[in-house]
Amino acid sequence: SQQGEEDPQALSIQEGENATMNCSYKTSINNLQWYRQNSGRGLVHLILIRSNEREKHSGRLRVTLDTSKKSSSLLITASRAADTASYFCATDLSNSGYALNFGKGTSLLVTP
Amino acid sequence: NAGVTQTPKFQVLKTGQSMTLQCAQDMNHNSMYWYRQDPGMGLRLIYYSASEGTTDKGEVPNGYNVSRLNKREFSLRLESAAPSQTSVYFCASIPWGTEAFFGQGTRLTVV
Repeated sequence: SQQGEEDPQALSIQEGENATMNCSYKTSINNLQWYRQNSGRGLVHLILIRSNEREKHSGRLRVTLDTSKKSSSLLITASRAADTASYFCATDLSNSGYALNFGKGTSLLVTP
Repeated sequence: NAGVTQTPKFQVLKTGQSMTLQCAQDMNHNSMYWYRQDPGMGLRLIYYSASEGTTDKGEVPNGYNVSRLNKREFSLRLESAAPSQTSVYFCASIPWGTEAFFGQGTRLTVV
């Protein structure tokens, strides 16, 4: 079964608004990552946060990690139409080599 | 550097046919992975290879075989394709503890 689950499944906002999507997972992790996928393309890495970190920033992206609740959130500030994509969280299983397990994704639509 | 290269990009098979999906990486990574992506299902791990000469099953290995030919190449074989294997297949190369590098995917249709 998939380790991570994103919420919501779909999100529609207007340009300039902030977009928040959440990820919950089930077991201990070494790190959690967020990826972006444009329609019909491969996945692109956005940000990695380690289990001993609580918050990380990269440009307009802010990721938080709460290991006590086994959850993470991805915030995209001042969204643009070009941010329209699917976003996936991925967790490694700390007791299983280094296989990444992906959630089902959040589909984000940003309208002008 | 090309990163991760998958071939072919598109393929249509008839039920029962066999084919091999090729993947090569030029980043000298030890670990390589095959995932499949179905609508609404995210990515599911089929097989992975932690190092040259080793392979392990992932979440959905049935109907597939893999070969880690050398450090660069990791192939996925469908011996007898079924319509349930219609999917988009992604190869990834993942250095330990860091981000994954993905190929552009192979869109496979089994009719």
